[in-house]
Amino acid sequence: EVQLVQSGAEVKKPGESLRISCKGSAYSFTDYWINWVRLIPGKGLEWMGRIDPSDSYIKYSPSFEGHVTISADKSISTAYLQWSSLKPSDTAIYYCARGSIVVVGRDSWGQGTLVTVSS
Amino acid sequence: QTVVTQEPSFSVSPGGTVTLTCDLRSGSVSTSHYPSWYQQTPGQPPRTLIHTTNTRSPGVPERFSGSIIGNKAALTITGAQADDDSHYFCALYLGSGIFVFGGGTKLTVL
Repeated sequence: EVQLVQSGAEVKKPGESLRISCKGSAYSFTDYWINWVRLIPGKGLEWMGRIDPSDSYIKYSPSFEGHVTISADKSISTAYLQWSSLKPSDTAIYYCARGSIVVVGRDSWGQGTLVTVSS
Repeated sequence: QTVVTQEPSFSVSPGGTVTLTCDLRSGSVSTSHYPSWYQQTPGQPPRTLIHTTNTRSPGVPERFSGSIIGNKAALTITGAQADDDSHYFCALYLGSGIFVFGGGTKLTVL
């Protein structure tokens, strides 16, 4: 069964750095894009960006470019989303999704990582 | 700024049929936007229902279908069930590797 397993919930202070992960299994990790999606309850889903694990080509949403960094290590079938300086407004649930060139989530989604940023 | 709009809320009776739409403020939605639809229930990850306009994701019941109606993407639920009570989001591919989600529709089944 195809699975995307994300790292656990995080509680951070403003200004701290963070990297969360998304590990794929039971499929060829380099055959599908990994998309990152933010959910703020009451505000809906937002597409943040994506990576092609085969060559680490990355595309960011203009709304998130410069504030987050997406990366991947294909040798361990894992994609990452990281912040160098968190803000309280980054408090949200973050999901990874297995996608294609023209689809955010074809089928599988990670279980989500809750990030809480508070002083 | 590109805006994708959906009905904020909709109601349907159990067994009824409902069509949710996804509109592009700056123009018409077509198959070239490869519309996809996701169901999002609090506490659960999003569930892919439809991608590339009308392809059901594995395991999705046939009562969910996707199409283009007029100049909008559409998600039709035929024979709504109680557990279809949820939030539904569309996403459009804008080209150049960019996607955008709509604001979502809260569907109430009662």
